[in-house]
Amino acid sequence: QSVLTQPPSVSAAPGQKVTISCSGSSSNIGNNYVSWYQHLPGTAPKLLIYDNNKRPSGIPDRFSGSKSGTSATLDITGLQTGDEADYYCGTWDSSLSAGVFGGGTKLTVL
Amino acid sequence: EVQLVESGGGVERPGGSLRLSCAASGFTFDNYAMSWVRQAPGKGLEWVSIIYWNGGSTRYADSVKGRFTISRDNAKNSLYLQMNSLRAEDTAFYYCARVPPGDYSYYYMDVWGKGTTVTVSS
Repeated sequence: QSVLTQPPSVSAAPGQKVTISCSGSSSNIGNNYVSWYQHLPGTAPKLLIYDNNKRPSGIPDRFSGSKSGTSATLDITGLQTGDEADYYCGTWDSSLSAGVFGGGTKLTVL
Repeated sequence: EVQLVESGGGVERPGGSLRLSCAASGFTFDNYAMSWVRQAPGKGLEWVSIIYWNGGSTRYADSVKGRFTISRDNAKNSLYLQMNSLRAEDTAFYYCARVPPGDYSYYYMDVWGKGTTVTVSS
């Protein structure tokens, strides 16, 4: 069972918007910054968002992140079939003294 | 080009040992902390370990503490994961990842390797 909680799956049509949630606690999301990763199994995960809402160079502004209290959200607008992947939130857990991930959310673009 | 390339994976029996390596290129290796992350078949990403730039500070997931040891050789731009007392549940794809400078509250991984497979089976 993951420390951070994500919905197992989300889906939406091409061009639409989807929101992926990530819920934690005061020892992780509540007091640390959140990052988001896109992953196709067997390939290198890709950083999408860091420091709650910053995008690395090369990540389109269709991807955005936010945080409120002990929860974080990844929004993806203008969905494309190429966005189909697993998405993970991550942060540091100060009580565990360890990095933690959510269980992952599989995005299907219908 | 910034690159991380893992090697050393394979098949090992329960109780055995493996040493993973991660070769870094395209950046100043000793400016960064480094982490290992794994993904078991059909499961999500699981954080394994972190080592800071000079090797002086390390942390481990409870699932590997006491069995795995992370280390680095800055002269060789290389990261390692010594895995002892292997269990079936250690079977996974193992990724190394770069961690930008900053304290723990800003923790994230900005560059990842393509991974190496570890299978623990009798």
